[in-house]
Amino acid sequence: DADVTQTPRNRITKTGKRIMLECSQTKGHDRMYWYRQDPGLGLRLIYYSFDVKDINKGEISDGYSVSRQAQAKFSLSLESAIPNQTALYFCATSGGTQETQYFGPGTRLLVL
Amino acid sequence: SQQGEEDPQALSIQEGENATMNCSYKTSINNLQWYRQNSGRGLVHLILIRSNEREKHSGRLRVTLDTSKKSSSLLITASRAADTASYFCATDAPTSGSRLTFGEGTQLTVNP
Repeated sequence: DADVTQTPRNRITKTGKRIMLECSQTKGHDRMYWYRQDPGLGLRLIYYSFDVKDINKGEISDGYSVSRQAQAKFSLSLESAIPNQTALYFCATSGGTQETQYFGPGTRLLVL
Repeated sequence: SQQGEEDPQALSIQEGENATMNCSYKTSINNLQWYRQNSGRGLVHLILIRSNEREKHSGRLRVTLDTSKKSSSLLITASRAADTASYFCATDAPTSGSRLTFGEGTQLTVNP
């Protein structure tokens, strides 16, 4: 969905490096989410934010941090990457009375 | 832990046949949603059914919800090769604060 963009789309990094994944949206939504997906599995929630001043941990927040720089931007950081953080990462948004979520195209991360 | 569990994990059918996927969940819900994911891409919302609804249609999609059994099914009629994708159910529970909990998905392959 072009309304939700993620950068980079692919990233290879080494163990111990700090990296940032960025998400931007033009849908005007208040709520933004970060998920990770491992092969053959569903999505697990890392962090979510209901507005710029509201940040909440999801079910697997250890080793991650986030920043909500503006309504339209929500970044995910891996402070010190480790190989088991190799996964596909998705940003999603929702807003207003809509209960559905709109997903970005994903960032494929490989930690060596 | 995943709220939703999907069955089967994988389904292979011929074009023109119907495909049925099932989702079971554990707690009470506000609504249940189905999403589709083409290989390695972002999820796309298909249909939402609220807890007070029993059946919903959208084009070739038919979703049913049985809250007494805590289960839902997604039926795709007259399948096409382009329907090949992974399908996920996601639940929005009253205590979730607009967060969705995703199942592990059903991989559908439609053979031409």
